[in-house]
Amino acid sequence: TQLLEQSPQFLSIQEGENLTVYCNSSSVFSSLQWYRQEPGEGPVLLVTVVTGGEVKKLKRLTFQFGDARKDSSLHITAAQPGDTGLYLCAGVGDYKLSFGAGTTVTVRA
Amino acid sequence: KAGVTQTPRYLIKTRGQQVTLSCSPISGHRSVSWYQQTPGQGLQFLFEYFSETQRNKGNFPGRFSGRQFSNSRSEMNVSTLELGDSALYLCASSRASTGQGNTIYFGEGSWLTVV
Repeated sequence: TQLLEQSPQFLSIQEGENLTVYCNSSSVFSSLQWYRQEPGEGPVLLVTVVTGGEVKKLKRLTFQFGDARKDSSLHITAAQPGDTGLYLCAGVGDYKLSFGAGTTVTVRA
Repeated sequence: KAGVTQTPRYLIKTRGQQVTLSCSPISGHRSVSWYQQTPGQGLQFLFEYFSETQRNKGNFPGRFSGRQFSNSRSEMNVSTLELGDSALYLCASSRASTGQGNTIYFGEGSWLTVV
């Protein structure tokens, strides 16, 4: 059973479109991380959000942490084929990460 | 600097056999964690080590074990392999334990197929 629920499971969009991925939890985490994983590689950390209500921007990526620190979203503006990959959210606990099932994003040229 | 190195990258084992996977963390990192990734269950936490001490263990049977050496390198072992153990095993390293505010770096993983 996943502590973190991600939606949607799959997302296929055209280059230039926007997309949003959601991550919801029944538990409160001290912080939450977003990773991107490409085929044949390990996950790579994109961002860590710590404060409820926090918004972080990384170029075309915008990350939000819910006020209650139980949900988060990742928004990509003007998606590019290079954004294709598996996006994972992870709740940071003591000595472990709890991952969502992931959202597979495909950006078509 | 060199990233997290995992060996072997690919291996095929038969049911009932055992397997040992190795992980060399980034230089200076004292924490090593292991995760299992499968299509059905996603990424599941196996264990975390810091300075040779196991800090946390996931909900896996006793067939899964690990250890960390004084040079921070880590190994995990799976005994009496089952078909369901087929997965990508990921190692991650960081300067301090997970939850201490530091960045965690993942290796490329070891692909295990049990036949």
